Amino acid sequence: QQQVKQSPQSLIVQKGGIPIINCAYENTAFDYFPWYQQFPGKGPALLIAIRPDVSEKKEGRFTISFNKSAKQFSLHIMDSQPGDSATYFCAATTSVRGNQFYFGTGTSLTVIP
Amino acid sequence: DTEVTQTPKHLVMGMTNKKSLKCEQHMGHRAMYWYKQKAKKPPELMFVYSYEKLSINESVPSRFSPECPNSSLLNLHLHALQPEDSALYLCASSQVANEQFFGPGTRLTVL
Repeated sequence: QQQVKQSPQSLIVQKGGIPIINCAYENTAFDYFPWYQQFPGKGPALLIAIRPDVSEKKEGRFTISFNKSAKQFSLHIMDSQPGDSATYFCAATTSVRGNQFYFGTGTSLTVIP
Repeated sequence: DTEVTQTPKHLVMGMTNKKSLKCEQHMGHRAMYWYKQKAKKPPELMFVYSYEKLSINESVPSRFSPECPNSSLLNLHLHALQPEDSALYLCASSQVANEQFFGPGTRLTVL
């Protein structure tokens, strides 16, 4: 059973556009939600993370929006650049079992120049 | 030092070979992880070491054998692998329970 559902599977935007990637979860015990960026042949890199006590977090051009009641969170990339083309994974975990991440299925983002 | 290093970057082995993957971090993290990742899929957790003790083993076949010699090092010993074990093997570490930092991975090909 997929603990975290991610969509879309792939996304193509023009440079300067704002791609949005969505994730949903069922387990209300989840209390930490990171996003990872992965380039081909490389390991995932932690981009930004949020806890459910806030509804939004910004770091540079990356913003997480969090809706606790809907059990959904999303990643927005402002002013997207070709260098942002990568695969993005959302994840969720609990403080109790913080060693066990539940990853979404990934979104392949292509930013066209 | 704020990175996780992995060696080798690439490894090709036959089904009868024995090889090892190595992972090192010098961030003082007390938890270390092995993941397996197939193309276009998310990482799959294999093993977790917490304070140098194996705390999670996700029903991984015995042909994969982890080892944590000390708090900075993590090894994955490979023996009698199958072609379907070909994948990117990722090591990660964390200080607190949540923020995991990944290494660049070892691309393993089993012939």
